[in-house]
Amino acid sequence: RKEVEQDPGPFNVPEGATVAFNCTYSNSASQSFFWYRQDCRKEPKLLMSVYSSGNEDGRFTAQLNRASQYISLLIRDSKLSDSATYLCVVNGRYSTGGFKTIFGAGTRLFVKA
Amino acid sequence: SQTIHQWPATLVQPVGSPLSLECTVEGTSNPNLYWYRQAAGRGLQLLFYSVGIGQISSEVPQNLSASRPQDRQFILSSKKLLLSDSSFYLCAWSVTESLRTDTQYFGPGTRLTVL
Repeated sequence: RKEVEQDPGPFNVPEGATVAFNCTYSNSASQSFFWYRQDCRKEPKLLMSVYSSGNEDGRFTAQLNRASQYISLLIRDSKLSDSATYLCVVNGRYSTGGFKTIFGAGTRLFVKA
Repeated sequence: SQTIHQWPATLVQPVGSPLSLECTVEGTSNPNLYWYRQAAGRGLQLLFYSVGIGQISSEVPQNLSASRPQDRQFILSSKKLLLSDSSFYLCAWSVTESLRTDTQYFGPGTRLTVL
């Protein structure tokens, strides 16, 4: 089982739609969680951190479910400019005592006019 | 504010030639530094990370090596490139504020093609 798993998609949605991505992680000792956005042929950029209480930034809402070991990203009122690959990122303590950041392979989103 | 630079932006090299990619960070001190690569349509693969000058940890055995000669400089090298080294190479930095958090920020990347 991969340490961080995402549905690769692609998700094809019309403008204005609401779309949700899930990401599961295997290390129950994971401590911090993030969503990154990566445009084609560009570097990943931090979209938002994910907190236990959930957090919202404009049209974007991130949630964490520690019991089920998954995080989610909800995008409301999709824009053409939201088309990108969304990477789930998990940071956790491993048995060796160190911390490690794991990037998911990403979920591709296409927003159509 | 902090900025991260990578160069060159694109590079075409013949098989068997050496490689040197440079990454520098400004506006912070003693950052954690990382080298990743990403094949077309694939996820990020961590190659090396460094928590301080001269301290390099390798995640995956490669024909690549990394060095950190200065606090905010990270270099990725190879003595002989392989065709399979063609990829998008990304440098990232983070400041570990606590053991729990590690938000990484990426440079613009170097797109390497080995022919």
